[in-house]
Amino acid sequence: AQSVSQHNHHVILSEAASLELGCNYSYGGTVNLFWYVQYPGQHLQLLLKYFSGDPLVKGIKGFEAEFIKSKFSFNLRKPSVQWSDTAEYFCAVKDLGRLYFGRGTQLTVWP
Amino acid sequence: SQTIHQWPATLVQPVGSPLSLECTVEGTSNPNLYWYRQAAGRGLQLLFYSVGIGQISSEVPQNLSASRPQDRQFILSSKKLLLSDSGFYLCAWRPGQGTDTQYFGPGTRLTVL
Repeated sequence: AQSVSQHNHHVILSEAASLELGCNYSYGGTVNLFWYVQYPGQHLQLLLKYFSGDPLVKGIKGFEAEFIKSKFSFNLRKPSVQWSDTAEYFCAVKDLGRLYFGRGTQLTVWP
Repeated sequence: SQTIHQWPATLVQPVGSPLSLECTVEGTSNPNLYWYRQAAGRGLQLLFYSVGIGQISSEVPQNLSASRPQDRQFILSSKKLLLSDSGFYLCAWRPGQGTDTQYFGPGTRLTVL
């Protein structure tokens, strides 16, 4: 079974700082990759996803993620974070019909 | 549009008591339904999934069970709760065909004392 590693449990940034959240999965093959976000008091929602094609995927709210197959990675990036990006971020990998989640990274952005 | 509901939002139960968490989906037919649990400091763990009424697949052996009495209703149950059952329970759905994206409900925070 896949395992998904998110390297940072909690990240604290100031507004306008750049963000990169790491995500690695355990083995290759044909996988679909996702980043989900949960804002305080809200549902878990899809931020972006990669199925095939261009490995640089753009999502909502200025987020993007790059799939690097050789590194089994799917890191999430944003050039300039805002206070409203404070949330918990989950990386997920779909493999053989199952969705495997990382433990999540709590992002806190100070205004 | 489709919406997913979970209740209750928060629950505090004593060890050994029963549990029933409910999830319903509106605005779609024959969805795939999922129960996940997020324990403190851990990722989301798939507990059960269902591709149709009465069809339940269990991913992790435990003292929980799931049922799908209606097409858009998914229930998570336990006869006797353990301390280790505390966590955040999320229900999710996705269309029976098409996109692989799952859509999540608001979750239930369960504390077992």
